[in-house]
Amino acid sequence: KQEVTQIPAALSVPEGENLVLNCSFTDSAIYNLQWFRQDPGKGLTSLLLIQSSQREQTSGRLNASLDKSSGRSTLYIAASQPGDSATYLCAVYQTGANNLFFGTGTRLTVIP
Amino acid sequence: DGGITQSPKYLFRKEGQNVTLSCEQNLNHDAMYWYRQDPGQGLRLIYYSQIVNDFQKGDIAEGYSVSREKKESFPLTVTSAQKNPTAFYLCASSIEGLNTEAFFGQGTRLTVV
Repeated sequence: KQEVTQIPAALSVPEGENLVLNCSFTDSAIYNLQWFRQDPGKGLTSLLLIQSSQREQTSGRLNASLDKSSGRSTLYIAASQPGDSATYLCAVYQTGANNLFFGTGTRLTVIP
Repeated sequence: DGGITQSPKYLFRKEGQNVTLSCEQNLNHDAMYWYRQDPGQGLRLIYYSQIVNDFQKGDIAEGYSVSREKKESFPLTVTSAQKNPTAFYLCASSIEGLNTEAFFGQGTRLTVV
């Protein structure tokens, strides 16, 4: 069964730093990978969706990369801001499973 | 305003009661889903529906039931058979299946009292 891991579980950085969040998955037969943001007590906000045929996607200060063969994705956040503080979740769509498999998230705190 | 609306935001259930969580979307999406989120665990799929009047069990369907009578609505009933219902419930939708971008509601926190 697909397993998705996000390390570290928590991360604190000073404002203005560039940072990388990691996501790894055990089965490379994925259709796509999606990054979400979740604020405390709230739902998930979709940030970026990368198809399996793509290497990266960019939206503003966010850049997500995908290396399907090694089972890894990274989310790069440039010039972090206190408003970026949230939990970031990655999820993979498993080909044939009709399910999104989620990691447990990285809780990011950006210190002013 | 397009999006997914879940209600209520907070819900309290007594032992032995059934409760229904509402999920409505105006995105004209065919597919809708219910997930459960527990602390320290990834989201787990309860039920999904790809078209009206059709739905399928997910990984943890026991103790839950759903209906899909309208494209816009996918209510979830937590029955008394669900032994550990306290959790955060999230509804999502996508244009087709989960191979397309998923959009989530703001969640309902259910607590058993």
